[in-house]
Amino acid sequence: QSALTQPRSVSGSPGQSVTISCTGTGSDVGGYDYVSWYQQQPGKAPKLMIYDVSKRPSGVPDRFSGSKSGNTASLTISGLQAEDEADYYCCSYAGTYTYLFGAGTKVTVL
Amino acid sequence: QVQLVQSGAEVKKPGASVKVSCKASGYTFPSYGVTWVRQAPGQGLEWMGWISAHNGNTNYAQKLQGRVTLTTDTSSNTAYMELRSLRSDDTAVYYCARDRYSSGGGDSWGQGTLVAVSS
Repeated sequence: QSALTQPRSVSGSPGQSVTISCTGTGSDVGGYDYVSWYQQQPGKAPKLMIYDVSKRPSGVPDRFSGSKSGNTASLTISGLQAEDEADYYCCSYAGTYTYLFGAGTKVTVL
Repeated sequence: QVQLVQSGAEVKKPGASVKVSCKASGYTFPSYGVTWVRQAPGQGLEWMGWISAHNGNTNYAQKLQGRVTLTTDTSSNTAYMELRSLRSDDTAVYYCARDRYSSGGGDSWGQGTLVAVSS
């Protein structure tokens, strides 16, 4: 299985919104509402930001939102802040109790 | 608070095996599964597998089937990941995570364990 497709990088100014796409197939992203998103700061463990496409764990700011249309899921960061600069990974259920991660997107705050 | 503490870095030769531990605290260990994810240097995340801490049921990435074994010890609230027949491309940081939401990763993560494979 190949990794889910994400843009290598996105950037925005503080206060702006950025959206990261995550494209798969009907066998993963398009087939199930089990997409999650992780934020990873350099040298740190990943942090869960979104699960089940659009749900936020306790403590995650509501500036982070998730959605899905067809085979593409998206993570939107509204009101971008300097602390949001990190790598972001999507993850999707891929059937037969397995999961697939995206290749990762570097978010730069200009 | 929920905490997952992993064992220290390892250096192994090709063909050897490695076993990484992940000790959980701050929650009822059998109530959640544990996911293992690895990250090669400068690369993305790779899902390795999942184990139920309740009954030991496991699911593995097809790529690693036959080389990886996940286990748990509920008496010590510890999960283990053993990888055999190590190759240079197994060099990575290995993470365990509590899988509260069946998200493929987890809501609480260990600090990571570097496994370096080199002759």
